[in-house]
Amino acid sequence: AQSVTQPDIHITVSEGASLELRCNYSYGATPYLFWYVQSPGQGLQLLLKYFSGDTLVQGIKGFEAEFKRSQSSFNLRKPSVHWSDAAEYFCAVAQGQKVTFGIGTKLQVIP
Amino acid sequence: NAGVMQNPRHLVRRRGQEARLRCSPMKGHSHVYWYRQLPEEGLKFMVYLQKENIIDESGMPKERFSAEFPKEGPSILRIQQVVRGDSAAYFCASSERQGFGNEQFFGPGTRLTVL
Repeated sequence: AQSVTQPDIHITVSEGASLELRCNYSYGATPYLFWYVQSPGQGLQLLLKYFSGDTLVQGIKGFEAEFKRSQSSFNLRKPSVHWSDAAEYFCAVAQGQKVTFGIGTKLQVIP
Repeated sequence: NAGVMQNPRHLVRRRGQEARLRCSPMKGHSHVYWYRQLPEEGLKFMVYLQKENIIDESGMPKERFSAEFPKEGPSILRIQQVVRGDSAAYFCASSERQGFGNEQFFGPGTRLTVL
């Protein structure tokens, strides 16, 4: 069965600093990987997704993620964080129509 | 084009009552998914439906929970005889097509509180 691990439950970064959110997955076949963002009281919004091809994928809001098969990782990065990026971020893997989500990482941005 | 609509946004029920959660997919989407988010946890898949059909309900509790997506009208997630452990946020998502990579668009969720 597939699983997703987000080892960091809370992360605090200063505005303007770089960000990396970790995600590790367990899946037998080629994974279909996603990052979603959830603002308080809102639904999830897709940031980016990886299916095949270039292992560095670009998403919305200046985010990118790199797929590393050898490490079973799909870490999310942003070179310079803005206060509006404060939210909860979920990594997910798809198997058919069923998407398995990680527990989420809450990002706090301080001035 | 309106996004995925869910209502009510907040629902309070007493133990033993029934909860009915509604989801209207995006226009043109015929695939609907329900997820549950317990406090401090990620989303857990519950059920995948197409019009008038349940495709995958492997994440649904065996008792008290049911879902439908009729030919006309919204998808309904029904919880009978609610218990405190049912308190959670329930999210609906929809997609245009089946298969890998078809983005699921999420609604704002219904937050159920069981007293």
